[in-house]
Amino acid sequence: QQQVKQSPQSLIVQKGGIPIINCAYENTAFDYFPWYQQFPGKGPALLIAIRPDVSEKKEGRFTISFNKSAKQFSLHIMDSQPGDSATYFCAAKGTSGSRLTFGEGTQLTVNP
Amino acid sequence: EAGVAQSPRYKIIEKRQSVAFWCNPISGHATLYWYQQILGQGPKLLIQFQNNGVVDDSQLPKDRFSAERLKGVDSTLKIQPAKLEDSAVYLCASSLETVTNTQYFGPGTRLTVL
Repeated sequence: QQQVKQSPQSLIVQKGGIPIINCAYENTAFDYFPWYQQFPGKGPALLIAIRPDVSEKKEGRFTISFNKSAKQFSLHIMDSQPGDSATYFCAAKGTSGSRLTFGEGTQLTVNP
Repeated sequence: EAGVAQSPRYKIIEKRQSVAFWCNPISGHATLYWYQQILGQGPKLLIQFQNNGVVDDSQLPKDRFSAERLKGVDSTLKIQPAKLEDSAVYLCASSLETVTNTQYFGPGTRLTVL
């Protein structure tokens, strides 16, 4: 059972554009929502994370928007650069335990 | 600070053979995770250790997969016998604590089963 649905599967933007990646979850017991960035041949690396008691979090050019009632959250990348080209995964953690449930991933390409 | 180390980086085996992967977590990290990442999908947790005890192995196919973490540091993941559908990248991650759950991933081992 897929508990975190991510879209789109792939995304192409021009340099300076603002790609938006969306995730939706089903389990209301999730309490921690991280985003991971993965480059080819590397393991995922934590980019930014949010808890459901806030609606937005910014770190540099990366922003998470969180809508608790809709059970949705999204990643916005401001002023995107070719170096941001990677696969992005949203994830969610339940209130009990520390298992992360990952979305399917979005392959982002930022053209120069 | 050294990251999570994994070896080998690549492995090709025939179906029904056995294979083992090794992971050395970041020093001092009590929690260690093994994930399976099939091409085009997100990582899926196979097993989680807290020190040398198993916390969550509900998604581990126990008929063919096994894992151990001796002395609460290094860990090995074994598949015996391998099937074609086991072709994937096997990622090891570690975390210092579980509240914020910042997991640090290794580069992974890419397994191809022919």
